[in-house]
Amino acid sequence: DTGVSQNPRHKITKRGQNVTFRCDPISEHNRLYWYRQTLGQGPEFLTYFQNEAQLEKSRLLSDRFSAERPKGSFSTLEIQRTEQGDSAMYLCASSLGGSGRAGDTQYFGPGTRLTVL
Amino acid sequence: QKEVEQNSGPLSVPEGAIASLNCTYSDRGSQSFFWYRQYSGKSPELIMFIYSNGDKEDGRFTAQLNKASQYVSLLIRDSQPSDSATYLCAVSQFYFGTGTSLTVIP
Repeated sequence: DTGVSQNPRHKITKRGQNVTFRCDPISEHNRLYWYRQTLGQGPEFLTYFQNEAQLEKSRLLSDRFSAERPKGSFSTLEIQRTEQGDSAMYLCASSLGGSGRAGDTQYFGPGTRLTVL
Repeated sequence: QKEVEQNSGPLSVPEGAIASLNCTYSDRGSQSFFWYRQYSGKSPELIMFIYSNGDKEDGRFTAQLNKASQYVSLLIRDSQPSDSATYLCAVSQFYFGTGTSLTVIP
């Protein structure tokens, strides 16, 4: 397995449009995370799945954001009615999960860079 | 709101020196702590995790955790120019600091 993949790598859209990003985790990983990162900041937690269940969602996350992981494999993150403030790198990560502490280790994908004009 | 604080730097050290990176956190109940390295334009990659008070060593890297002081640090021995990157502290998996930019000068 080559790691976490994300598509597209870059997305330019106009304000008010909807965008959707895809993340394919490492195949045996049952946990999947979405983060947003802007220049000079650390990754900001958005949401987290264990298998297909969305277990946690940041209270900072606008209702315009929604994420799914329908079969416990790949995940999609949709942003509706994009705003210029949504411009950022959107990072996906996955981890093995399970009871062992090493299962918490997250492996990040290359990210999707969103630019909202 | 769980807060993770790091000195943004930049921190500059000469090649071969020890680089010391620090992180404090607000949630006393936090149990897991992670250090990631992020090169410019790339995604974070895990360097180390630590769960217990004390030191944990892995090659040139040592993580130190003091839960009473709510403090975690990363020491990089024999720093190399290839260590030049931003180092991110993460607490309880989800909460990242803003990162410390490290430059190792040849």
